[in-house]
Amino acid sequence: SAVISQKPSRDICQRGTSLTIQCQVDSQVTMMFWYRQQPGQSLTLIATANQGSEATYESGFVIDKFPISRPNLTFSTLTVSNMSPEDSSIYLCSVNFGRGYEQYFGPGTRLTVT
Amino acid sequence: AQSVTQLDSQVPVFEEAPVELRCNYSSSVSVYLFWYVQYPNQGLQLLLKYLSGSTLVKGINGFEAEFNKSQTSFHLRKPSVHISDTAEYFCAVSPYSSASKIIFGSGTRLSIRP
Repeated sequence: SAVISQKPSRDICQRGTSLTIQCQVDSQVTMMFWYRQQPGQSLTLIATANQGSEATYESGFVIDKFPISRPNLTFSTLTVSNMSPEDSSIYLCSVNFGRGYEQYFGPGTRLTVT
Repeated sequence: AQSVTQLDSQVPVFEEAPVELRCNYSSSVSVYLFWYVQYPNQGLQLLLKYLSGSTLVKGINGFEAEFNKSQTSFHLRKPSVHISDTAEYFCAVSPYSSASKIIFGSGTRLSIRP
């Protein structure tokens, strides 16, 4: 298993600004992911954070809007850039130890954009 | 491609009554199956998973699920629910071929009435 922490836990931001969310894992993991959960909805994968290379983005998500860093095997950041009210969501970090294993999720970052 | 359908968006039940949350999936390849629970204002926690073997899987908090390959279903059950089971429940699948891909259903909100 893994213990995952996220910072901040919540934030209220003004439109046009950017917020960087941190994800820290207590052990080295191969795969880290970022999800968005819009109000009352399910989880949507934003991207896979690759250590040492550019993130792999899902359809509908672009690097300019959601830049991701992964400097090592235990840490990643997601930035939500040039925010608008439509970006108000919960952003979750998750990790996976390999094929056939479940993903472990962080507690999430609740973002409200005004 | 894979998809997950949770047939009920909301399920209200009385305390100590049994409950079944339905999940059907579609996939052209073999998949692993998961149920996650999200308590209010928290991240996701794994309830149970099916990887192979016995089709009846037991998880935490008294939940169990049965994999039915012919009906492509993975319904979640509990014989007697408690107020503390109030949460959002997500069914998810992950194809054998990809450790990174996990596709979530839209979620079922379980509300327990005293």
